[in-house]
Amino acid sequence: NAGVMQNPRHLVRRRGQEARLRCSPMKGHSHVYWYRQLPEEGLKFMVYLQKENIIDESGMPKERFSAEFPKEGPSILRIQQVVRGDSAAYFCASSPFVSQSGTHYYEQYFGPGTRLTVT
Amino acid sequence: GDSVTQMEGPVTLSEEAFLTINCTYTATGYPSLFWYVQYPGEGLQLLLKATKADDKGSNKGFEATYRKETTSFHLEKGSVQVSDSAVYFCALRYPSDYKLSFGAGTTVTVRA
Repeated sequence: NAGVMQNPRHLVRRRGQEARLRCSPMKGHSHVYWYRQLPEEGLKFMVYLQKENIIDESGMPKERFSAEFPKEGPSILRIQQVVRGDSAAYFCASSPFVSQSGTHYYEQYFGPGTRLTVT
Repeated sequence: GDSVTQMEGPVTLSEEAFLTINCTYTATGYPSLFWYVQYPGEGLQLLLKATKADDKGSNKGFEATYRKETTSFHLEKGSVQVSDSAVYFCALRYPSDYKLSFGAGTTVTVRA
């Protein structure tokens, strides 16, 4: 039973380029969360997606960052025109069905992360 | 806002030594508290959790007690092994929310 997969594990981009980070959730999971860990800081929530829906993007920077989780295929976190401050570890997590009442959330299972370095 | 502060690393220990990693939190309500562990090359895994004051979470010889009076959730293990070498993250989440708030992580290295 494969866990959450992320690729690439390491990504180097020059300033101004685009970065695409991919996350394949665990089998049967339809909820994906992205977190970012800046140097010397804890992981910070970025965005929560279900298939074809962005549920909460309150932690996403307003510009250059976007995320999607299509009906087929992995979730993608896209960073346009990267800057040095985007250098960080980006973690993806997935969870199974979440209660409709919103009062109970299942454990999030994390991937190994993608380490982005902007030169 | 809510936040988690954990002791800075890295921490280096000899096998069979006692391990403590301090974690304190700031929260406006009554969150659940978690410890996650990340072994080299792997994703974060839930190590243990506690959902209310005075609860003790335990797993794999690790323990942590939810202390509301000191807003702390310190992780302890009585006798560490080389295989415990990892990064440990303290985190909190409200029962009605999906967002986890993490500390910065503490790198632990256990020498044989």
